[in-house]
Amino acid sequence: LAKTTQPISMDSYEGQEVNITCSHNNIATNDYITWYQQFPSQGPRFIIQGYKTKVTNEVASLFIPADRKSSTLSLPRVSLSDTAVYYCLVGLQAAGGFKTIFGAGTRLFVKA
Amino acid sequence: EAGVAQSPRYKIIEKRQSVAFWCNPISGHATLYWYQQILGQGPKLLIQFQNNGVVDDSQLPKDRFSAERLKGVDSTLKIQPAKLEDSAVYLCASSMVTGNYGYTFGSGTRLTVV
Repeated sequence: LAKTTQPISMDSYEGQEVNITCSHNNIATNDYITWYQQFPSQGPRFIIQGYKTKVTNEVASLFIPADRKSSTLSLPRVSLSDTAVYYCLVGLQAAGGFKTIFGAGTRLFVKA
Repeated sequence: EAGVAQSPRYKIIEKRQSVAFWCNPISGHATLYWYQQILGQGPKLLIQFQNNGVVDDSQLPKDRFSAERLKGVDSTLKIQPAKLEDSAVYLCASSMVTGNYGYTFGSGTRLTVV
């Protein structure tokens, strides 16, 4: 069964760096890895996207090892407003063909 | 830039009734997606359109769900008849091109089937 795996939840304190890892063993060869943030009663919001190695933007970094079977979203110096659910989205190759799959999400709770 | 518009915001219906959701994507976005998000789970793709053609509807329960995007712009998703397990948030997203997962999502329609 093609799927992605993320930790269910994580706790952190304000000002700390948070790293959330997504495992995706069956990632399609030429597909992107994308991460989203979702607040209650809102649709997911795009954070960052990459194909390999490291990508950085103004809000996060994305680390992708050479085999691309996992990826790590890094949030530097989190604040209370970063409390949300974080999802990885990848394209996976499976017996039934190509599927784009969201992970089950990691609920991040940032404490003061 | 205007975002992805969805309506209604909330809907409560009885099982076996029908319901329709509407989505207007970002102007110029050729690709439109409908996702179902059950409470506590990640979004699940129901159907993907490229302009007014269907690219992927492999996870759409076609015995009760239907979707159209007649003019390649806005789209409707319909459920008939609804079941209790259809209670979820229905999210619409759009992107400029297929294959790039930088989607813009709407706020969704929360459906409760009682």
